[in-house]
Amino acid sequence: AQSVTQLGSHVSVSEGALVLLRCNYSSSVPPYLFWYVQYPNQGLQLLLKYTTGATLVKGINGFEAEFKKSETSFHLTKPSAHMSDAAEYFCAVSEANRDDKIIFGKGTRLHILP
Amino acid sequence: NAGVTQTPKFRVLKTGQSMTLLCAQDMNHEYMYWYRQDPGMGLRLIHYSVGEGTTAKGEVPDGYNVSRLKKQNFLLGLESAAPSQTSVYFCASDKAAVKHHSNQPQHFGDGTRLSIL
Repeated sequence: AQSVTQLGSHVSVSEGALVLLRCNYSSSVPPYLFWYVQYPNQGLQLLLKYTTGATLVKGINGFEAEFKKSETSFHLTKPSAHMSDAAEYFCAVSEANRDDKIIFGKGTRLHILP
Repeated sequence: NAGVTQTPKFRVLKTGQSMTLLCAQDMNHEYMYWYRQDPGMGLRLIHYSVGEGTTAKGEVPDGYNVSRLKKQNFLLGLESAAPSQTSVYFCASDKAAVKHHSNQPQHFGDGTRLSIL
């Protein structure tokens, strides 16, 4: 069965500093991996996804993530945090041979310090 | 371009009452999903549908029922509401299987905040 673990329910970084949100997954078959962002009182928006091919995936708003099979990780990074990045971030996994559902992690709330 | 619309946006129920949450999408998507979001729990899949007339159970289906009589609508029902069902409910839709996506999968609605007293 698939599962996703996000390390740290809350992460605080200073404006302009590196953002690193950690995600590890478990899947018995090749995974598809996703990062979503949720702003207050809104639904989820896709930041980026990995399905096949290049393991470094670039998304919107300057975010990127790297699929590392040996580490079963898909950490999200952004070189320089902006105040507008404050939100909750969800990592998610779907099995490549199961096309019907995505399993979400518990979320990491990102706080940006001025 | 409405996307995914959930109604109502807020609701307060008493224990034992029933209600139906409506999700409507205007993108001709085949796949539709109902999630609940609770603090520290992320999103958990309740039920989903891969096409009109079909439904399937997700991670936490107990206490809920769903119907997909029309392709554009996916209804989530609570037959006898319980305080444990207090949550924020999100509907999502998807044009195709994840593996066929070239862009964003799972368009989300803005959520329904449900409180059970």
